[in-house]
Amino acid sequence: AQSVTQLGSHVSVSEGALVLLRCNYSSSVPPYLFWYVQYPNQGLQLLLKYTSAATLVKGINGFEAEFKKSETSFHLTKPSAHMSDAAEYFCAVRNGGSQGNLIFGKGTKLSVKP
Amino acid sequence: DVKVTQSSRYLVKRTGEKVFLECVQDMDHENMFWYRQDPGLGLRLIYFSYDVKMKEKGDIPEGYSVSREKKERFSLILESASTNQTSMYLCASSLAGGGPRTEAFFGQGTRLTVV
Repeated sequence: AQSVTQLGSHVSVSEGALVLLRCNYSSSVPPYLFWYVQYPNQGLQLLLKYTSAATLVKGINGFEAEFKKSETSFHLTKPSAHMSDAAEYFCAVRNGGSQGNLIFGKGTKLSVKP
Repeated sequence: DVKVTQSSRYLVKRTGEKVFLECVQDMDHENMFWYRQDPGLGLRLIYFSYDVKMKEKGDIPEGYSVSREKKERFSLILESASTNQTSMYLCASSLAGGGPRTEAFFGQGTRLTVV
């Protein structure tokens, strides 16, 4: 069965610093992986996805993630944090069965200090 | 622009009431989902539907039911609301099949408070 682990429920960085949000997955089949962002009192918005093409995936708002099969990881990075990046971030893996639902990690809340 | 619309952003209901949460998508997606979001627990799947009138239980279906009479609409029903169902509810939709366009599109969420 697929599962996702996000290390760190809260991450705090200074404006302009590197953002690194960690995600490890467990999957018995080649995974489809996703990062979503949620701003307060909003739904989830897709940041980027890995679908077995390039291992380095670029998303919106300057974020990118690298798929590393040997480490079963899909960490999210951004070179320089902006105040507007403060939000909650969710990593997800697509269920390998026919249902197509996403299995989510517990989320990481990112704070950006001025 | 693709859209998933949930009928209410905020709801306050009394214990024991029957509650309907409505979701409509305009993308002709086969799959639709209801998730519940609680602090520290992430998103948990309640029910999903892969076709009209078809439904399958997710991880936490107890106390909930669903209805999908039309492809674009997926309703979540709380038969008798309880305080432990106070939560944020998120509806999502996606294409069927295992291809690369498998991301889910989410609605804005309904924050339900049961008093």
